[in-house]
Amino acid sequence: EVQLVQSGAEVKKSGESLRISCKGSGYSFTSYWICWVRQMPGKGLEWMGRIDPSDSSTKYSPSFQGHVTMSVDKSTSTAYLQWSSLKASDTAMYYCARHEHDVGEGYWGQGTLVTVSS
Amino acid sequence: AIQMTQSPSSLSASVGDRVTITCRASQGIRNDLGWYQQKPGKAPKLLIYATSSLQSGVPSRFSGSGSGTDFTLTISSLQPEDFATYYCLQDYNFPWTFGQGTKVEIK
Repeated sequence: EVQLVQSGAEVKKSGESLRISCKGSGYSFTSYWICWVRQMPGKGLEWMGRIDPSDSSTKYSPSFQGHVTMSVDKSTSTAYLQWSSLKASDTAMYYCARHEHDVGEGYWGQGTLVTVSS
Repeated sequence: AIQMTQSPSSLSASVGDRVTITCRASQGIRNDLGWYQQKPGKAPKLLIYATSSLQSGVPSRFSGSGSGTDFTLTISSLQPEDFATYYCLQDYNFPWTFGQGTKVEIK
């Protein structure tokens, strides 16, 4: 069974760093891109970017480029999303999803809620 | 970036109604469009991929159509479990972009 399991909720202060995770199982982790999606409270979905676990190549949305970093650890089938300096505006639910070519994001993590206080 | 304009932003409908949601792309995206359903507190769920292909396990009352710049999601007979928010997503080129969402509410 394909599963993406995300790390738990985080409460941080502005300026702090953070890394959240998304662990894949039940499939070949390096065969599918992982995408990250943000959903701010009461708002719609925003595509942040994707990482190819086979070579760690990334594509970021300009809205997020330079503010977040995507990475993977192939040895543990885990993708990461990290911030070096959080802002209050980073408060949101973050989802990872597996992208299948010509199909789309058929599998999603359960989401990680990040709360940043100023 | 390609902009996806989704309409309406919300609608009220009754069980059994036929519901249509549209997405318009700011430029041609071939058929590289998917539709997602999201219920409160839950992760999105893929309904339709490549404009018109039904994801495995999704009821056949959901269908998609369109090409180029104009796309449609249709629910042929709305069921109680279909009350949710629906999003389109283009994956034609980077950055991929979602529509603003359509909230389907009970009339």
